[in-house]
Amino acid sequence: EVQLVESGGDLVQPGRSLTLSCEASGFMFDDYAMHWVRQAPGRGLEWVSGISWDGSSVAYGDSVKGRFTISRDNAKNSLHLQMNSLRPEDTAFYYCAKDSGDTVKAEPALFEYWGQGSLVTVSS
Amino acid sequence: QSVLTQPPSVSGAPGQRVTISCTGSSSNIGAGYDVHWYQQLPGTAPKLLIYGNNNRPLGVPDRFSGSKSGSSASLAISGLQVEDEADYYCQSYANSLTAPYVFGTGTKVTVL
Repeated sequence: EVQLVESGGDLVQPGRSLTLSCEASGFMFDDYAMHWVRQAPGRGLEWVSGISWDGSSVAYGDSVKGRFTISRDNAKNSLHLQMNSLRPEDTAFYYCAKDSGDTVKAEPALFEYWGQGSLVTVSS
Repeated sequence: QSVLTQPPSVSGAPGQRVTISCTGSSSNIGAGYDVHWYQQLPGTAPKLLIYGNNNRPLGVPDRFSGSKSGSSASLAISGLQVEDEADYYCQSYANSLTAPYVFGTGTKVTVL
């Protein structure tokens, strides 16, 4: 059974940093691309960032480019999102999601499995 | 930042058929990219419902079906059930360096 478990969500002040992690199990982690997708409370889904199976290719949405960094550790089956210069508009549930393919910015480009989410609140 | 447009809400009585539209453009659905659908039950994470326009993952009931034509796609729920009350999102790929993965605005399905 595929399991994705996020951690690291917290209440932080604007301008501060936070790192989210996602522990994966139940599949060959290093065969698949992985993503972060967020959802502000009561709002829709927004793709944040993605990383290829081997970490060689990464991509970011406009709203986080230059502030967030995605990374993965295939030896530990884990995905991370380093978030710097946080803004109130970054407040959201952050979901870790498994791609059905091995790269980013290419089809099939779908989110096959999702974690339960981790809440990040940016407020003074 | 959603670039795929969905109706905010649809409703139907148990047993009825409802459809949800997803309208894109020539840079996403109209460019030939597949459309995928996700179901988000209240208080839970999204779940893949339909992939590749009209394919159901194992375990998804066959009352859910998808279609695509031109720059639009649709999700149909036949024989609506109380447990289908949820938010539904379409998603596709896009010819964009900065937003290659695009979601729909989301549709709340209410079972009357």
